[in-house]
Amino acid sequence: SQQGEEDPQALSIQEGENATMNCSYKTSINNLQWYRQNSGRGLVHLILIRSNEREKHSGRLRVTLDTSKKSSSLLITASRAADTASYFCATDNTGANSKLTFGKGITLSVRP
Amino acid sequence: DTGVSQDPRHKITKRGQNVTFRCDPISEHNRLYWYRQTLGQGPEFLTYFQNEAQLEKSRLLSDRFSAERPKGSFSTLEIQRTEQGDSAMYLCASSSLRGRNYNEQFFGPGTRLTVL
Repeated sequence: SQQGEEDPQALSIQEGENATMNCSYKTSINNLQWYRQNSGRGLVHLILIRSNEREKHSGRLRVTLDTSKKSSSLLITASRAADTASYFCATDNTGANSKLTFGKGITLSVRP
Repeated sequence: DTGVSQDPRHKITKRGQNVTFRCDPISEHNRLYWYRQTLGQGPEFLTYFQNEAQLEKSRLLSDRFSAERPKGSFSTLEIQRTEQGDSAMYLCASSSLRGRNYNEQFFGPGTRLTVL
């Protein structure tokens, strides 16, 4: 079963704009991980945020986590056409033996 | 290249045939996971190993599926008597349970299976 629910399902922006993607989940977690997937390819790990962290940065990426609301957001600043991909959040749920539970993903299109 | 590798990248087979996929994890990772992804969906967990021990299997893993990790390094996933519903991307991931980013899972490129 899929726990994470990403929002929106699809996002189209102009190059240079910021893209914000949201993820909600249902159970308590050890950590939450964001991935990118280009069409037909494997998943590229973007960032991991632990349950005791509230915000994390990596390059143009900013991730927040609100465990009280069971939600996370991924912000990509100054987007580029190469950021066009599907983005997934995945939760490492407490007591789930470290397997990840993924949402259905967000399709991001960045127009040049 | 020290990432996760998978072989083959693509496999086309006829219904009823057996197929086997291989995954080579990041060398120092003791956890290895198999996931399956169908079009428009996120990956779904199939099974995982800690070293050579298979610790959990999803109910998605029917008795036609078997996975091994004989020496705690590479793993194989075999599907017997393939069905058209087995067509999917099969993803392998590995992680370490040590360090700051506990269970940060890194994925391979996947094996895309098409059953005709």
